[in-house]
Amino acid sequence: EVQLVESGGGLVQPGGSLRLSCVASGLTFSDHYMDWVRQAPGKGLEWVGRARNKAKSYTTEYAASVKGRFTISRDDSKNSLYLQMNSLKTEDTAVYYCARVLSGQWLDYWGQGTLVTVSS
Amino acid sequence: DIQMTQSPYSVSASVGDRVTITCRASQGISSSLVWFQQKPGKVPKLLIYAASRLQSGVPSRFSGSGSGTDFTLTISSLQPEDFATYYCQQTSTYPVTFGGGTKVEIK
Repeated sequence: EVQLVESGGGLVQPGGSLRLSCVASGLTFSDHYMDWVRQAPGKGLEWVGRARNKAKSYTTEYAASVKGRFTISRDDSKNSLYLQMNSLKTEDTAVYYCARVLSGQWLDYWGQGTLVTVSS
Repeated sequence: DIQMTQSPYSVSASVGDRVTITCRASQGISSSLVWFQQKPGKVPKLLIYAASRLQSGVPSRFSGSGSGTDFTLTISSLQPEDFATYYCQQTSTYPVTFGGGTKVEIK
């Protein structure tokens, strides 16, 4: 059974930093691209970014709203995906989900999410 | 960025009704379109990928169609467990973008 478990969320002040983690099990993590998607309270889904696999040199993509502030990385030896969030803004408040990307396109497994609240 | 516009914003329907949700892309995306279902407090669930392919385990009352810029998700006979919010997502071009969602409510 595929499981994705996020952690690291919490309350942080504007301008602060936070690092989210996502640990995967039940899949060959190193084979897959992985995404971060967020959802502000009561709002829709917003794609945050993607980490490709080793075959694609671990390259990354980001949404314009987070580019330059957020960094996605992965450690295949730990089956883990990370989201380093710097210069946080109140509008970054959301539940952050990690998701497996199947065939390089479709998000077929999602974690339960971790809540990030940016507030003074 | 490619904008994804869903309509209607919400739909009120009864069990057994046929429901159609539309998603329009601001530029052509071929068949690179995915549909998700999300129930309150739950994680999004993949329903349809590549515009019309049913994800394993998803009931056959769900179907997707379209290509280019116009896509539809159809629920042929609405069931109680189908009341949820539905999102489309384009996977053609970075950044990947979602539609704003369509809430299917009980009439």
